[in-house]
Amino acid sequence: EPEVTQTPSHQVTQMGQEVILRCVPISNHLYFYWYRQILGQKVEFLVSFYNNEISEKSEIFDDQFSVERPDGSNFTLKIRSTKLEDSAMYFCASKGVTGELFFGEGSRLTVL
Amino acid sequence: DQQVKQNSPSLSVQEGRISILNCDYTNSMFDYFLWYKKYPAEGPTFLISISSIKDKNEDGRFTVFLNKSAKHLSLHIVPSQPGDSAVYFCAASARIWGAQGGSEKLVFGKGTKLTVNP
Repeated sequence: EPEVTQTPSHQVTQMGQEVILRCVPISNHLYFYWYRQILGQKVEFLVSFYNNEISEKSEIFDDQFSVERPDGSNFTLKIRSTKLEDSAMYFCASKGVTGELFFGEGSRLTVL
Repeated sequence: DQQVKQNSPSLSVQEGRISILNCDYTNSMFDYFLWYKKYPAEGPTFLISISSIKDKNEDGRFTVFLNKSAKHLSLHIVPSQPGDSAVYFCAASARIWGAQGGSEKLVFGKGTKLTVNP
């Protein structure tokens, strides 16, 4: 069964460092998303991406965050200068014509 | 801003019995609802969805009921199995289609931890 894959599964970084989280969405999907879940809190929407541009973003997704689809298969989330409060599980998701979002297993980011 | 609320943080049922997970929402623009299951250290797994034009959708052991007037939906699992033990998230979206092709931002509830005892 097709699935969304994410790398790395866990990244530890120092505050102020840049981090790139990578995702390979399901191949025939056209809509891509990043969500995050801070420990003990809700899964929160960050950004949606369609037709090579951001279609919607939340207030969390400030100018420290960016997304890119560099090569037609990968979908990346970059955090330019990480803060302690960026520590969370980051989930990539993609959506096809049926309307359901399919999530990857997540990348755990720990900012020290 | 809790637009999607799951008021029961946990639920425990016996194997073979029915599990009923509840979800309430406040935003009347929501027109598409989904249930996801999540195991620890994994991503949410899609279970079942329902559009606001329906009041019931069934898929095997899982049935979702939607009561639009009460802004309430529920997930029924019959019969419950120990492998169903997980955190269940209710999610909702308002399918607003704009020039850029659509927005499918999901708003999640906090989740209900279901434990099915053998």
